[in-house]
Amino acid sequence: GENVEQHPSTLSVQEGDSAVIKCTYSDSASNYFPWYKQELGKGPQLIIDIRSNVGEKKDQRIAVTLNKTAKHFSLHITETQPEDSAVYFCAASYGGSQGNLIFGKGTKLSVKP
Amino acid sequence: EADIYQTPRYLVIGTGKKITLECSQTMGHDKMYWYQQDPGMELHLIHYSYGVNSTEKGDLSSESTVSRIRTEHFPLTLESARPSHTSQYLCASRNPLVNEQYFGPGTRLTVT
Repeated sequence: GENVEQHPSTLSVQEGDSAVIKCTYSDSASNYFPWYKQELGKGPQLIIDIRSNVGEKKDQRIAVTLNKTAKHFSLHITETQPEDSAVYFCAASYGGSQGNLIFGKGTKLSVKP
Repeated sequence: EADIYQTPRYLVIGTGKKITLECSQTMGHDKMYWYQQDPGMELHLIHYSYGVNSTEKGDLSSESTVSRIRTEHFPLTLESARPSHTSQYLCASRNPLVNEQYFGPGTRLTVT
């Protein structure tokens, strides 16, 4: 079945450094790729997304890139801050227009001051 | 911030009890979802709905049931809770215009 692989499972960086999280997906029909941030005790929050007709999207310190040929997409966080510490999930749409999402297993990011 | 609400936020109950987890959204979204999040944080889709009177089973088999009588309300029920049901349950809804999915704050259920 459809699958999304996410790496690494844990990531520790110094404040101010960059963090990169990578995901690969299996369904070639996937056309929507959101990223979520989940803080302790809260539900996942959508932070950025990208669609299949775009190769890169940026929002302040966060950027996402998509390589449809290789079926992988990545989240880049620059100038990390302690408040960026959280669990990050990638996801890919499947099932065509039904729009269900399949999620990666998450990356726990720790930013050390 | 999306307007999606879940109650209760925390619940501790004994084995065999019937419980209903509430989820509501005020955005008029037709599509709604229930996810189970295990201690390793992985998200598993257990139920979803296309709209009123529509319910579908998700990718992960669950002993829970759902109903969708009103657009804004998507409750999840466990007829007889067991310790294996201990988990975080997350409700979500989808904005069809932009295909974005928004999550509620979750209900942390502990069955003793």
